[in-house]
Amino acid sequence: DVKVTQSSRYLVKRTGEKVFLECVQDMDHENMFWYRQDPGLGLRLIYFSYDVKMKEKGDIPEGYSVSREKKERFSLILESASTNQTSMYLCASNFEYRSGGYTFGSGTRLTVV
Amino acid sequence: DQQVKQNSPSLSVQEGRISILNCDYTNSMFDYFLWYKKYPAEGPTFLISISSIKDKNEDGRFTVFLNKSAKHLSLHIVPSQPGDSAVYFCAASAKGDKLVFGAGTILRVKS
Repeated sequence: DVKVTQSSRYLVKRTGEKVFLECVQDMDHENMFWYRQDPGLGLRLIYFSYDVKMKEKGDIPEGYSVSREKKERFSLILESASTNQTSMYLCASNFEYRSGGYTFGSGTRLTVV
Repeated sequence: DQQVKQNSPSLSVQEGRISILNCDYTNSMFDYFLWYKKYPAEGPTFLISISSIKDKNEDGRFTVFLNKSAKHLSLHIVPSQPGDSAVYFCAASAKGDKLVFGAGTILRVKS
């Protein structure tokens, strides 16, 4: 069964900490995405990548960076966590940039205190 | 500016009845539409999709209708079951570009 795996289901971090969220997919997908989900705001795109070492800003990249050193792994980095980054973070991947449907991971619920 | 809008934050339906979830979009370049379902503490899962060349697509209890002139799509679930209780996201893309998601609608099916 193909899947997208996010390393942590729940995280609690302190304000100012550097936070790493890891995502691995086993489908040999080129494209990978990071979203955050907040009530009433839906899924908002933070960053995406369509190839190794490539990255593109999404709609809300401020306060975040990403790393994609290998095709199967896409990491989201919160350089200095703040309370307004408390959210559900979702990683997704798909095979082609132009094919639409995404496979999502189970999400990481991050709380910044 | 939200290109995909789900104006109903929540919907409550009796088991066995029809659930209708609505979605409006503003970008006339969108040509592919999807519905995702999300349970708490899980990632969204793909439910059903429709291309702009069609006006209806059916998969079991789920049917999606597309009205291009009104820039409106809807998801019908018949009959609704308690296990359908979840958040439903509408999404759209233009010529294979990345998906744009709506804010979601919480569906509660009462038994």
